[in-house]
Amino acid sequence: SQKIEQNSEALNIQEGKTATLTCNYTNYSPAYLQWYRQDPGRGPVFLLLIRENEKEKRKERLKVTFDTTLKQSLFHITASQPADSATYLCSMGDNDMRFGAGTRLTVKP
Amino acid sequence: GAGVSQSPSNKVTEKGKDVELRCDPISGHTALYWYRQSLGQGLEFLIYFQGNSAPDKSGLPSDRFSAERTGGSVSTLTIQRTQQEDSAVYLCASSSNARETQYFGPGTRLLVL
Repeated sequence: SQKIEQNSEALNIQEGKTATLTCNYTNYSPAYLQWYRQDPGRGPVFLLLIRENEKEKRKERLKVTFDTTLKQSLFHITASQPADSATYLCSMGDNDMRFGAGTRLTVKP
Repeated sequence: GAGVSQSPSNKVTEKGKDVELRCDPISGHTALYWYRQSLGQGLEFLIYFQGNSAPDKSGLPSDRFSAERTGGSVSTLTIQRTQQEDSAVYLCASSSNARETQYFGPGTRLLVL
């Protein structure tokens, strides 16, 4: 069956460090993969999209990698700030899009 | 409209009652999704509409759940004979087509007493 697994439920890091979140998938051949941010009580908000022929994508302090051999995407937040604290979701699909369970990131000052 | 809207924002109902949740997608978006999110949990896919195609209902947890999308725009998710385990936030999202970025509504918080 198809699965999207995010490495951990929660990740705690110190302000200024780089946060790295992992998304692994099985039985998918996605043309692309997306990352979303969700704050408590709100719907997810789109952050970045990376296509299967792209190894890396950057947007400000965010970086996403996509390894179709390992079937894995890594999501990095550099110079993390307390305001980055949220749940981060990866999403992929063929004809539709499904989501992983998310990783709750807490950045401590 | 400017974004996806959902109504009501909160709904409290008694066990056994039926509820209807509404989603107004972004104008022109052909794809519409319903998800359920329990407290502290990830998104659980429920149903997906794409244009005039038959909906993908593979995520509906039981036959008490149904959804329709009239005129390719507004969608209604209906839960019949609600149970306490139906309590969750129900999120709707739309996108310009099946593989594009999804834009989420604020959700409807359902509490079944």
